[in-house]
Amino acid sequence: EIVLTQSPGTLSLSPGERATLSCRASQSVRSTYLAWYQQKPGQAPRLLIYGASSRATGIPDRFSGSGSGTDFTLTISRLEPEDFAVYYCQQYGSSPPMYTFGQGTNLEIK
Amino acid sequence: QVQLQESGPGLVNPSGTLSLTCAVSGDSIGSGKWWSWVRQPPGKGLEWIGEIYHSGSTNYNPSLKSRVTISVDKSKNQFSLRLSSVTAADTAVYYCAREGTSGYSYGPWGQGTLVTVSS
Repeated sequence: EIVLTQSPGTLSLSPGERATLSCRASQSVRSTYLAWYQQKPGQAPRLLIYGASSRATGIPDRFSGSGSGTDFTLTISRLEPEDFAVYYCQQYGSSPPMYTFGQGTNLEIK
Repeated sequence: QVQLQESGPGLVNPSGTLSLTCAVSGDSIGSGKWWSWVRQPPGKGLEWIGEIYHSGSTNYNPSLKSRVTISVDKSKNQFSLRLSSVTAADTAVYYCAREGTSGYSYGPWGQGTLVTVSS
Protein backbone atom coordinates (compact mmCIF):
# COMPACT_ATOMS: atom_id res chain seq x y z
CA GLU A 1 0.00 0.00 0.00
CA ILE A 2 1.32 3.43 -0.96
CA VAL A 3 1.44 5.94 1.89
CA LEU A 4 1.04 9.65 1.18
CA THR A 5 2.68 12.13 3.54
CA GLN A 6 1.62 15.76 3.32
CA SER A 7 3.63 18.70 4.60
CA PRO A 8 3.41 20.94 6.38
CA GLY A 9 0.66 19.80 8.71
CA THR A 10 -0.41 23.41 9.20
CA LEU A 11 0.47 26.39 7.01
CA SER A 12 -0.22 29.91 8.27
CA LEU A 13 -0.34 32.56 5.56
CA SER A 14 -2.06 35.84 4.78
CA PRO A 15 -4.45 36.62 1.92
CA GLY A 16 -2.51 37.56 -1.18
CA GLU A 17 0.42 35.29 -0.35
CA ARG A 18 1.51 32.19 -2.25
CA ALA A 19 0.85 28.76 -0.76
CA THR A 20 2.89 25.67 -1.55
CA LEU A 21 1.62 22.33 -0.26
CA SER A 22 3.58 19.10 -0.58
CA CYS A 23 2.49 15.48 -0.99
CA ARG A 24 5.16 12.79 -0.91
CA ALA A 25 4.45 9.14 -1.79
CA SER A 26 6.21 6.10 -0.32
CA GLN A 27 6.48 4.63 -3.85
CA SER A 28 6.29 6.13 -7.31
CA VAL A 29 2.78 7.16 -8.38
CA ARG A 30 1.61 7.63 -11.94
CA SER A 31 0.70 11.27 -12.42
CA THR A 32 -2.66 10.17 -13.84
CA TYR A 33 -3.48 8.70 -10.43
CA LEU A 34 -2.82 11.77 -8.24
CA ALA A 35 -5.58 14.18 -7.16
CA TRP A 36 -6.02 17.09 -4.75
CA TYR A 37 -9.11 18.08 -2.75
CA GLN A 38 -10.19 21.06 -0.68
CA GLN A 39 -12.40 20.63 2.38
CA LYS A 40 -13.99 23.40 4.39
CA PRO A 41 -15.52 22.83 7.86
CA GLY A 42 -18.82 20.99 7.71
CA GLN A 43 -18.55 20.43 3.96
CA ALA A 44 -17.70 17.51 1.72
CA PRO A 45 -14.35 17.51 -0.06
CA ARG A 46 -14.21 19.23 -3.43
CA LEU A 47 -12.05 18.01 -6.28
CA LEU A 48 -9.47 20.62 -7.28
CA ILE A 49 -6.84 18.83 -9.34
CA TYR A 50 -6.79 15.46 -11.11
CA GLY A 51 -4.03 13.81 -13.07
CA ALA A 52 -1.55 15.74 -10.89
CA SER A 53 -1.93 18.98 -12.88
CA SER A 54 -5.37 19.29 -14.47
CA ARG A 55 -7.87 21.62 -12.85
CA ALA A 56 -11.36 20.28 -12.26
CA THR A 57 -14.35 22.10 -13.72
CA GLY A 58 -14.90 25.52 -12.18
CA ILE A 59 -11.61 25.66 -10.26
CA PRO A 60 -9.88 29.06 -10.48
CA ASP A 61 -6.55 29.22 -12.26
CA ARG A 62 -4.77 30.39 -9.11
CA PHE A 63 -4.77 26.68 -8.18
CA SER A 64 -2.13 24.58 -9.91
CA GLY A 65 -0.70 21.12 -9.43
CA SER A 66 2.68 19.76 -10.40
CA GLY A 67 5.08 16.93 -9.73
CA SER A 68 5.84 13.37 -10.68
CA GLY A 69 7.11 10.12 -9.23
CA THR A 70 7.01 10.49 -5.47
CA ASP A 71 6.80 14.29 -5.08
CA PHE A 72 3.74 16.34 -5.89
CA THR A 73 2.84 19.96 -5.14
CA LEU A 74 -0.33 22.02 -4.95
CA THR A 75 0.28 25.74 -5.40
CA ILE A 76 -2.18 28.53 -4.76
CA SER A 77 -0.66 31.55 -6.44
CA ARG A 78 -2.43 34.31 -4.54
CA LEU A 79 -4.56 33.34 -1.55
CA GLU A 80 -8.15 34.51 -1.39
CA PRO A 81 -10.08 34.47 1.93
CA GLU A 82 -12.15 31.50 0.73
CA ASP A 83 -9.03 29.37 0.14
CA PHE A 84 -8.35 28.80 3.83
CA ALA A 85 -9.32 25.16 4.34
CA VAL A 86 -7.85 21.67 4.67
CA TYR A 87 -6.25 20.17 1.56
CA TYR A 88 -5.84 16.45 0.86
CA CYS A 89 -3.90 14.59 -1.79
CA GLN A 90 -5.16 11.20 -2.99
CA GLN A 91 -3.63 8.44 -5.08
CA TYR A 92 -4.92 5.36 -6.82
CA GLY A 93 -2.94 2.14 -6.57
CA SER A 94 -3.63 -0.84 -8.79
CA SER A 95 -2.28 -3.72 -6.69
CA PRO A 96 -4.71 -4.13 -5.05
CA PRO A 97 -7.01 -1.55 -6.64
CA MET A 98 -7.55 1.07 -3.95
CA TYR A 99 -7.28 4.73 -3.09
CA THR A 100 -5.37 6.33 -0.25
CA PHE A 101 -5.41 9.88 1.09
CA GLY A 102 -2.72 11.95 2.69
CA GLN A 103 -3.36 13.15 6.23
CA GLY A 104 -4.12 16.68 5.09
CA THR A 105 -2.62 20.17 5.31
CA ASN A 106 -4.54 22.79 7.26
CA LEU A 107 -4.14 26.15 5.52
CA GLU A 108 -5.02 28.80 8.08
CA ILE A 109 -5.14 32.58 8.11
CA LYS A 110 -2.11 34.18 9.72
CA GLN B 1 -26.22 18.68 -12.36
CA VAL B 2 -25.19 15.48 -10.64
CA GLN B 3 -26.28 15.19 -7.01
CA LEU B 4 -25.70 12.46 -4.44
CA GLN B 5 -27.58 12.12 -1.16
CA GLU B 6 -26.71 9.75 1.67
CA SER B 7 -29.39 8.35 3.97
CA GLY B 8 -29.57 5.88 6.81
CA PRO B 9 -29.60 5.55 10.61
CA GLY B 10 -27.48 8.05 12.50
CA LEU B 11 -26.98 5.70 15.45
CA VAL B 12 -25.87 2.07 15.32
CA ASN B 13 -25.30 -0.33 18.22
CA PRO B 14 -21.83 -1.77 18.77
CA SER B 15 -21.44 -5.15 17.04
CA GLY B 16 -24.33 -4.23 14.75
CA THR B 17 -24.39 -3.45 11.04
CA LEU B 18 -24.18 0.03 9.56
CA SER B 19 -26.35 0.46 6.46
CA LEU B 20 -26.38 3.53 4.23
CA THR B 21 -27.83 4.34 0.83
CA CYS B 22 -26.69 6.92 -1.70
CA ALA B 23 -29.38 8.21 -4.05
CA VAL B 24 -28.08 9.58 -7.35
CA SER B 25 -29.79 12.22 -9.47
CA GLY B 26 -28.64 13.91 -12.65
CA ASP B 27 -26.68 10.86 -13.78
CA SER B 28 -27.26 7.16 -14.28
CA ILE B 29 -25.64 4.53 -12.10
CA GLY B 30 -24.99 2.74 -15.38
CA SER B 31 -23.10 5.66 -16.90
CA GLY B 32 -19.73 3.93 -16.84
CA LYS B 33 -18.37 5.49 -13.65
CA TRP B 34 -17.31 3.99 -10.37
CA TRP B 35 -19.37 4.91 -7.28
CA SER B 36 -17.67 5.06 -3.93
CA TRP B 37 -17.88 5.43 -0.17
CA VAL B 38 -15.39 7.47 1.88
CA ARG B 39 -15.53 8.15 5.62
CA GLN B 40 -14.06 10.72 7.99
CA PRO B 41 -13.92 10.22 11.77
CA PRO B 42 -14.63 13.42 13.73
CA GLY B 43 -11.64 15.75 13.52
CA LYS B 44 -9.61 13.33 11.40
CA GLY B 45 -8.73 12.68 7.77
CA LEU B 46 -10.39 10.86 4.91
CA GLU B 47 -10.47 7.06 4.56
CA TRP B 48 -11.52 5.30 1.35
CA ILE B 49 -13.93 2.43 2.02
CA GLY B 50 -14.58 1.04 -1.44
CA GLU B 51 -16.29 1.46 -4.80
CA ILE B 52 -18.68 -0.30 -7.16
CA TYR B 53 -19.28 -0.35 -10.90
CA HIS B 54 -22.77 -0.72 -12.40
CA SER B 55 -21.93 -4.28 -13.34
CA GLY B 56 -21.54 -5.07 -9.65
CA SER B 57 -17.76 -5.25 -9.71
CA THR B 58 -16.27 -3.94 -6.47
CA ASN B 59 -12.98 -2.83 -4.95
CA TYR B 60 -12.59 -2.56 -1.19
CA ASN B 61 -10.07 -1.14 1.25
CA PRO B 62 -8.14 -4.21 2.43
CA SER B 63 -8.34 -2.98 6.03
CA LEU B 64 -12.15 -3.10 5.91
CA LYS B 65 -12.74 -5.79 3.29
CA SER B 66 -13.87 -8.51 5.69
CA ARG B 67 -16.69 -6.29 7.00
CA VAL B 68 -17.77 -4.27 3.96
CA THR B 69 -20.35 -4.90 1.24
CA ILE B 70 -21.20 -2.34 -1.42
CA SER B 71 -24.13 -3.05 -3.71
CA VAL B 72 -25.95 -1.26 -6.52
CA ASP B 73 -29.65 -0.98 -7.39
CA LYS B 74 -29.92 0.24 -10.96
CA SER B 75 -33.73 0.31 -10.87
CA LYS B 76 -33.62 2.91 -8.08
CA ASN B 77 -30.43 4.61 -9.34
CA GLN B 78 -28.73 4.19 -6.00
CA PHE B 79 -25.98 2.26 -4.30
CA SER B 80 -25.53 1.08 -0.74
CA LEU B 81 -22.96 0.39 1.98
CA ARG B 82 -23.10 -2.27 4.67
CA LEU B 83 -20.43 -2.41 7.37
CA SER B 84 -20.74 -5.23 9.87
CA SER B 85 -19.45 -5.77 13.40
CA VAL B 86 -19.11 -2.04 14.01
CA THR B 87 -17.27 -0.50 16.96
CA ALA B 88 -16.83 3.05 18.21
CA ALA B 89 -13.90 3.35 15.79
CA ASP B 90 -16.42 3.26 12.93
CA THR B 91 -18.04 6.49 14.12
CA ALA B 92 -17.57 8.92 11.24
CA VAL B 93 -19.15 11.09 8.60
CA TYR B 94 -19.80 8.80 5.64
CA TYR B 95 -19.67 10.29 2.14
CA CYS B 96 -20.71 8.81 -1.16
CA ALA B 97 -19.04 10.07 -4.32
CA ARG B 98 -18.87 9.50 -8.04
CA GLU B 99 -15.71 8.92 -10.02
CA GLY B 100 -14.57 12.12 -11.69
CA THR B 101 -15.08 12.64 -15.40
CA SER B 102 -11.41 11.95 -16.11
CA GLY B 103 -11.07 9.00 -13.76
CA TYR B 104 -8.91 8.19 -10.73
CA SER B 105 -10.50 10.95 -8.62
CA TYR B 106 -13.88 11.67 -7.06
CA GLY B 107 -16.37 14.42 -7.75
CA PRO B 108 -19.13 15.23 -7.06
CA TRP B 109 -19.64 14.13 -3.46
CA GLY B 110 -22.71 13.83 -1.28
CA GLN B 111 -23.03 16.14 1.71
CA GLY B 112 -22.15 13.34 4.11
CA THR B 113 -24.01 11.74 6.99
CA LEU B 114 -22.76 11.27 10.54
CA VAL B 115 -23.05 7.75 11.89
CA THR B 116 -22.37 7.22 15.58
CA VAL B 117 -21.70 3.78 17.01
CA SER B 118 -22.94 3.71 20.58
CA SER B 119 -25.32 1.85 22.83
